[in-house]
Amino acid sequence: GAGVSQSPSNKVTEKGKDVELRCDPISGHTALYWYRQSLGQGLEFLIYFQGNSAPDKSGLPSDRFSAERTGGSVSTLTIQRTQQEDSAVYLCASSLVGTGVSYEQYFGPGTRLTVT
Amino acid sequence: GESVGLHLPTLSVQEGDNSIINCAYSNSASDYFIWYKQESGKGPQFIIDIRSNMDKRQGQRVTVLLNKTVKHLSLQIAATQPGDSAVYFCAENRSAGGTSYGKLTFGQGTILTVHP
Repeated sequence: GAGVSQSPSNKVTEKGKDVELRCDPISGHTALYWYRQSLGQGLEFLIYFQGNSAPDKSGLPSDRFSAERTGGSVSTLTIQRTQQEDSAVYLCASSLVGTGVSYEQYFGPGTRLTVT
Repeated sequence: GESVGLHLPTLSVQEGDNSIINCAYSNSASDYFIWYKQESGKGPQFIIDIRSNMDKRQGQRVTVLLNKTVKHLSLQIAATQPGDSAVYFCAENRSAGGTSYGKLTFGQGTILTVHP
């Protein structure tokens, strides 16, 4: 079946521009996560959506970052006024969440963002 | 100057050898642990998980050991193959307010290189 998809796969933008990154989770998965991975680093949690609950935004590094999830499916991560330190691979994951259900997160291929 | 973030732990083995990758975690409240494999240009791929009420779990060619006393996690890969070459991450689930919902905190990663 289809896995998590992300678009675009690569994005080059100029410093100060806004960018939008898209994530299509696995159908039926209620939880959606965004992570950031800088070169040679582990994954840094950004934000988490679960059903209709308020998202956990505790990992967003600044107010330039925001995300939304429409209709409980597709999610968009928006970075305003991009800075060079925003350059990284942005990974989206989805999972089933519930009592007795594994928390296994399925990851998309990521969007590589380069801010010049 | 050099980036500390590029100095990931590395492990080089010969094809057919057994590999052991180690991970230390910091939060004694973590109750769920996962190992992920990440190949170049791809998102992390689930390998195996373990809950805190267990100390060992086996999968196909992989075993995860959990030592809660010293907060240590290890991944053992039997008969390592060139296709196992990748970066391996451990991740822990940190309970929030007593409700564990799958938010993962990732370790820095270990580079495994398997020589034919």
